[in-house]
Amino acid sequence: GAGVSQSPSNKVTEKGKDVELRCDPISGHTALYWYRQSLGQGLEFLIYFQGNSAPDKSGLPSDRFSAERTGGSVSTLTIQRTQQEDSAVYLCASSYREGGNEQFFGPGTRLTVL
Amino acid sequence: AQSVTQLDSQVPVFEEAPVELRCNYSSSVSVYLFWYVQYPNQGLQLLLKYLSGSTLVESINGFEAEFNKSQTSFHLRKPSVHISDTAEYFCAVTYYGGSQGNLIFGKGTKLSVKP
Repeated sequence: GAGVSQSPSNKVTEKGKDVELRCDPISGHTALYWYRQSLGQGLEFLIYFQGNSAPDKSGLPSDRFSAERTGGSVSTLTIQRTQQEDSAVYLCASSYREGGNEQFFGPGTRLTVL
Repeated sequence: AQSVTQLDSQVPVFEEAPVELRCNYSSSVSVYLFWYVQYPNQGLQLLLKYLSGSTLVESINGFEAEFNKSQTSFHLRKPSVHISDTAEYFCAVTYYGGSQGNLIFGKGTKLSVKP
């Protein structure tokens, strides 16, 4: 596609429910990143996929967070048993490869946990 | 842990005035440096980047940033701002030779250009 797409654009859920956020990277980009943007914490790295390598999960805040990338393309970020502090904008980015290549960001999913 | 510091959370300025948004990073190892911009209700867009070579890099809309290794800084400047430059600006760093490539962001600077 023309750019990184994310769905849904907005998600409102109740505390304790599970949510799934989807990211479609730019075709041909081998690197995919998830970040979280919140008022108190700014932009935080969550997880990184590069090709078929094992993902770097070092930024995930707790074991309630997980992500997968199927077929080296689409990625899903799952948050189990959501808490109010999970409320944030979740951003996905992709790049041709890691390092100095520009990361192209999607529009984000705004998650609100009531 | 590596970090990026943007010293000003908000910068109000009048139209056509010059502006400097400050950014310092903590690492002493080799880095790639970026400025991203987020216009109201829009996603993050790359404004400019430093990878190697000339320490002064420019964007297409008149912004420039200079990599200063000794001061570990990458300040963003524009000699004359427009109303349309109102946005939040994020400085970010990543490390070449590493295995990740994820960006480490500063907290952002909100630039507000007034007529």
